[in-house]
Amino acid sequence: NAGVTQTPKFQVLKTGQSMTLQCAQDMNHEYMSWYRQDPGMGLRLIHYSVGAGITDQGEVPNGYNVSRSTTEDFPLRLLSAAPSQTSVYFCASSYGQGYTEAFFGQGTRLTVV
Amino acid sequence: RKEVEQDPGPFNVPEGATVAFNCTYSNSASQSFFWYRQDCRKEPKLLMSVYSSGNEDGRFTAQLNRASQYISLLIRDSKLSDSATYLCVLYNQGGKLIFGQGTELSVKP
Repeated sequence: NAGVTQTPKFQVLKTGQSMTLQCAQDMNHEYMSWYRQDPGMGLRLIHYSVGAGITDQGEVPNGYNVSRSTTEDFPLRLLSAAPSQTSVYFCASSYGQGYTEAFFGQGTRLTVV
Repeated sequence: RKEVEQDPGPFNVPEGATVAFNCTYSNSASQSFFWYRQDCRKEPKLLMSVYSSGNEDGRFTAQLNRASQYISLLIRDSKLSDSATYLCVLYNQGGKLIFGQGTELSVKP
């Protein structure tokens, strides 16, 4: 089973460039979310979605956009990359609300120079 | 105040030791609680859910105290393979999965 697939695994961007981190899940999960992880900060929620067509902001949404046109896909767009967005990004999905295990992708290590 | 706060790490313990992690949360309406494990900046994986009555899975015991708003994880007879970062996690009312900053455990021979 593929589970949650994130691409790319590594990326280097120049300041001001834009890019999209891809996330796809094949478990028919309603809930999907994006996190960033920085040293000493834990995982911080960027955006999340409770179903196709519905998205909402998390703790640190500035500089990022998301859309959820299908149940399977939840891409994260960096509009104009900044060095402060250097981080490890994780996509997660889960079935139902609040009581079930969340499954994570393998992460994207992004460096903005 | 952060919604979830964990014991600062790292915890360095010898094999066979018992180690306990605590985590406090600020929102009394938080709905469900978990411990996740993360190895070497890989993706987090569910270790165990935490129930009000307390629950045990082998060497691991998790407890929830809603009145005091904290959860705990006890690891008995630590193994080298237990070395990892342990993340306290909760779902809040809006369906958001909120993580603590994590506590690093290093088990030494």
